[in-house]
Amino acid sequence: EVQLVESGGGMVQPGRSLRLSCAASGITFGDYAMHWVRQAPGKGLEWVSSIRWNSGNMGYADSVKGRFTISRDNAKNSLYLQMNSLRPEDTALYYCAKDLGFGSGTYNAFDIWGQGTMVTVSS
Amino acid sequence: EIVLTQSPVTLSLSPGERATLSCRASQSISSYLAWYQQKPGQAPRLLIYDASNRATGIPARFSGSGSGTDFTLTISSLEPEDYAVYYCQQCSNWPLLFGQGTRLEIK
Repeated sequence: EVQLVESGGGMVQPGRSLRLSCAASGITFGDYAMHWVRQAPGKGLEWVSSIRWNSGNMGYADSVKGRFTISRDNAKNSLYLQMNSLRPEDTALYYCAKDLGFGSGTYNAFDIWGQGTMVTVSS
Repeated sequence: EIVLTQSPVTLSLSPGERATLSCRASQSISSYLAWYQQKPGQAPRLLIYDASNRATGIPARFSGSGSGTDFTLTISSLEPEDYAVYYCQQCSNWPLLFGQGTRLEIK
């Protein structure tokens, strides 16, 4: 069974940092692009960041560019999101998601999702 | 960036009825569009990719159509488990924006 499990969320003060992790199982993790998507309480879905299967390219939403960094460790089947200079508007449930495509055939559609980890930014 | 506008915001229908949800892109995205279903307290589920291809395990009552800027998700005959929020998402290039969602509620 394919599974994604996020961790690392919590409550943090504005301006501080958090590092989210996503552990994958049941797949050959290194074969797939991976993504982070967030959802503020009661709001819609917002794409945050993506990373190609070989870390060859990364993309970010304008709202997090320069503050968040996506990375992966294929040997550890893990995806990460380093979040710096956090703001109250970053408060959300953060999902990691697997790309539908294989290798360089990225679809940018998300076929497997974790259950999310909650990040709350508040003083 | 490509903006997606979904309509209607809320759709009220009875079980057995046909649901038609719309998603319009601010510029052409060819067929690079996905649809997701999200129920309360759950992660989203991929329904449709490349505008018209059903994802693995998705029932045949769900279908997608369209290309360019106008797309439609159709549920041919509503089942009780279909009441949820539906999002479209452009898959053409970064940023991978979502529409604001359509809430499908029981009439």
